[in-house]
Amino acid sequence: SQTIHQWPATLVQPVGSPLSLECTVEGTSNPNLYWYRQAAGRGLQLLFYSVGIGQISSEVPQNLSASRPQDRQFILSSKKLLLSDSGFYLCAWRGYEKLFFGSGTQLSVL
Amino acid sequence: GDSVTQMEGPVTLSEEACLTINCTYTATGYPSLFWYVQYPGEGLQLLLKATKADDKGSNKGFEATYRKETTSFHLEKGSVQVSDSAVYFCALSATQGGSEKLVFGKGTKLTVNP
Repeated sequence: SQTIHQWPATLVQPVGSPLSLECTVEGTSNPNLYWYRQAAGRGLQLLFYSVGIGQISSEVPQNLSASRPQDRQFILSSKKLLLSDSGFYLCAWRGYEKLFFGSGTQLSVL
Repeated sequence: GDSVTQMEGPVTLSEEACLTINCTYTATGYPSLFWYVQYPGEGLQLLLKATKADDKGSNKGFEATYRKETTSFHLEKGSVQVSDSAVYFCALSATQGGSEKLVFGKGTKLTVNP
């Protein structure tokens, strides 16, 4: 069966520090992968999606970047975090007619 | 572009009350429509879906009908339970450049009191 792993579950980082969140998928090949952010009062916003290795589409201009170095690995990064980067980050993969979500990372930038 | 608008929360109901969470969408073409639910402390999961006009999605006593004429997909339940307390997200699937993605509404927090 397919599973999606996302870590860490919580992260507290100072402003200006780098960020790396990792997501991996098991049990499927060449999945469409997504990073969403759930910010307080702003709902669920699509940040990036990827249809294959090295293929990244950005939905909104921001301080973050994404990479897909391997077929089932999707990484969300930042060189210097901002306060506004705080939020709940969700990785997802596209299964048959629906998305499967990871358990999320609560990021607090202080 | 494609978008989803759902009613602002939070919504607070007593157990056994009727629930309606409104959702309307704007899209080119004929998207599939979804309701996702996020229970406290858990990740998002699919609640129900409808893939074409007049389809009715249903699960756990919740229903939503794909209304193309009103571009709506309202979530309904006749009698809510405390265990239904969660955040509900309406979403549509959009295809751009050969890639498919889900566009979500902002979410509606539901609290059901005993």
